[in-house]
Amino acid sequence: DAKTTQPPSMDCAEGRAANLPCNHSTISGNEYVYWYRQIHSQGPQYIIHGLKNNETNEMASLIITEDRKSSTLILPHATLRDTAVYYCIVRWTGNTPLVFGKGTRLSVIA
Amino acid sequence: DVKVTQSSRYLVKRTGEKVFLECVQDMDHENMFWYRQDPGLGLRLIYFSYDVKMKEKGDIPEGYSVSREKKERFSLILESASTNQTSMYLCASSQLGGGPGNEQFFGPGTRLTVL
Repeated sequence: DAKTTQPPSMDCAEGRAANLPCNHSTISGNEYVYWYRQIHSQGPQYIIHGLKNNETNEMASLIITEDRKSSTLILPHATLRDTAVYYCIVRWTGNTPLVFGKGTRLSVIA
Repeated sequence: DVKVTQSSRYLVKRTGEKVFLECVQDMDHENMFWYRQDPGLGLRLIYFSYDVKMKEKGDIPEGYSVSREKKERFSLILESASTNQTSMYLCASSQLGGGPGNEQFFGPGTRLTVL
């Protein structure tokens, strides 16, 4: 079973920041937080991952709380092409299969 | 550009037919995975493989088998297709190794309909 909880859906205005929350209260010390997204009719796509420090790449930023029980994925300037289902996943090593939950359906509105 | 390709985007088969879904990756990845995706149930792992001729059951292996004869190719087999196997099937690959940045790359998916 997925070890994360996400809201089922969110809306965001185009050009604004999209902040997607994820609860992972049972995360263990050696588990990482990963984010993937799935645009309609495509396979999932990796976005970012982190352990305890905040991370940023060209796609997004990941903010992990100090107790590591929750995190937020931030898309700084959402575009219509960011409309997708976003999955938050915890796993202890990159060699284990991903376990997907239901994710959050983000709709970016013009 | 790294790629995971799947043999068909859409496939229609009849109940009882033997169905082969093929997946090929060009990244020299050791790990390969098969998932199915259904509305309301999300993505569920069927089988995965860490090496040639090696396979591991995922969460829902019943009714499926797999074959990995070459490193780049991972086949999912439905021995006798049934209507409850109508679904979107997604293949993925990743490098071997415990590094946390070991992302999975997914193919575009095959939408299988069993009549």
